[in-house]
Amino acid sequence: DTGVSQDPRHKITKRGQNVTFRCDPISEHNRLYWYRQTLGQGPEFLTYFQNEAQLEKSRLLSDRFSAERPKGSFSTLEIQRTEQGDSAMYLCASTTEIPEQYFGPGTRLTVT
Amino acid sequence: QKEVEQNSGPLSVPEGAIASLNCTYSDRGSQSFFWYRQYSGKSPELIMSIYSNGDKEDGRFTAQLNKASQYVSLLIRDSQPSDSATYLCAVNTNSNSGYALNFGKGTSLLVTP
Repeated sequence: DTGVSQDPRHKITKRGQNVTFRCDPISEHNRLYWYRQTLGQGPEFLTYFQNEAQLEKSRLLSDRFSAERPKGSFSTLEIQRTEQGDSAMYLCASTTEIPEQYFGPGTRLTVT
Repeated sequence: QKEVEQNSGPLSVPEGAIASLNCTYSDRGSQSFFWYRQYSGKSPELIMSIYSNGDKEDGRFTAQLNKASQYVSLLIRDSQPSDSATYLCAVNTNSNSGYALNFGKGTSLLVTP
């Protein structure tokens, strides 16, 4: 399967813990996006990488959130000191120079 | 905040009928428009993209775009129970964010046998 992959698929954590998610984009896709989706809402943009450069961050991305794409391939999204409001599906999408984005299966985070 | 608006539904249609899903957007500078299908508990799946005014057909799906009215729609012909899902309308914001997508809340479609 050469689609976008994400790991883990599910994560349950206690409030205050740190969590890290990984995204592996489609091979040779230089653009990578992170979105967050809560129940009943559409995905909301969090951040965007072109190769290894993080070019934009949404206002939603508080200082507890950090994302990296160190070699322009896989990306990680870390949430520090998780809060119950962070419970959501975290989605990664990738593309080349075209606008169509292809999503991975997502990581569902539950903060208890 | 640039808005993408969809009727949340649920929209219920009988099997074999045409389902019509609508979306409006507020940013006149939007260039690219997409429909994603999302089954419960799954991630969004791209089903249609459209960039210019008019109709674009792909199998049972037709996307329609009217930039003057800031309106995009999706028609699903010969609806099947397997089409029951939430349909998300997405619009690209601007090139500074590398085509980051702005999504509506989605319309829930139920196709009844």
